Amino acid sequence: DAGVIQSPRHEVTEMGQEVTLRCKPISGHDYLFWYRQTMMRGLELLIYFNNNVPIDDSGMPEDRFSAKMPNASFSTLKIQPSEPRDSAVYFCASSPRAAEETQYFGPGTRLLVL
Amino acid sequence: QKEVEQDPGPLSVPEGAIVSLNCTYSNSAFQYFMWYRQYSRKGPELLMYTYSSGNKEDGRFTAQVDKSSKYISLFIRDSQPSDSATYLCAMSSLSGGYNKLIFGAGTRLAVHP
Repeated sequence: DAGVIQSPRHEVTEMGQEVTLRCKPISGHDYLFWYRQTMMRGLELLIYFNNNVPIDDSGMPEDRFSAKMPNASFSTLKIQPSEPRDSAVYFCASSPRAAEETQYFGPGTRLLVL
Repeated sequence: QKEVEQDPGPLSVPEGAIVSLNCTYSNSAFQYFMWYRQYSRKGPELLMYTYSSGNKEDGRFTAQVDKSSKYISLFIRDSQPSDSATYLCAMSSLSGGYNKLIFGAGTRLAVHP
């Protein structure tokens, strides 16, 4: 398996622009997680999906952030409008089941908002 | 107070040294304890996984969990330059039936030849 795939790997945009991050989880994994990593706050869970349904979005910072999972093999995280404080590395991870299973992380998208 | 505390380092050791990495936590409901390794500009990857208290060994790596003290450790024996990475502890209570991981800040380790 190719592992979790994320695109783009790097994104540079200007404040106010819309940003869309994409993720393809490992085939057969029922759970998908979006994380954000910064030096100041470390690795934070933003939202997670179970069988394409958003279950817990309590980590989404504000209404400018939204996430969708239209099918089992694709998810997006959208920021509109983007702000400089959104600059971070965004990771997608997937897991076979909820219970004690490890999460497999993608390579991340490095976002810089100018 | 953060749920999981981890010294960010950096920690610099010579090749061959024994490395000790630690995390403390406050939530007594945590049952699953993990160590992830993250190389520069890569995603975290699971290194060690332990359920409840006790020790687990895998090659040069040993994970220890002391639930009474709310303290977990990762030991690396005969450290190698290839071990240079950031090590993140993570833990979960499996609350609500899903594995919400709470991560430590990560400790940067540099092993020099």
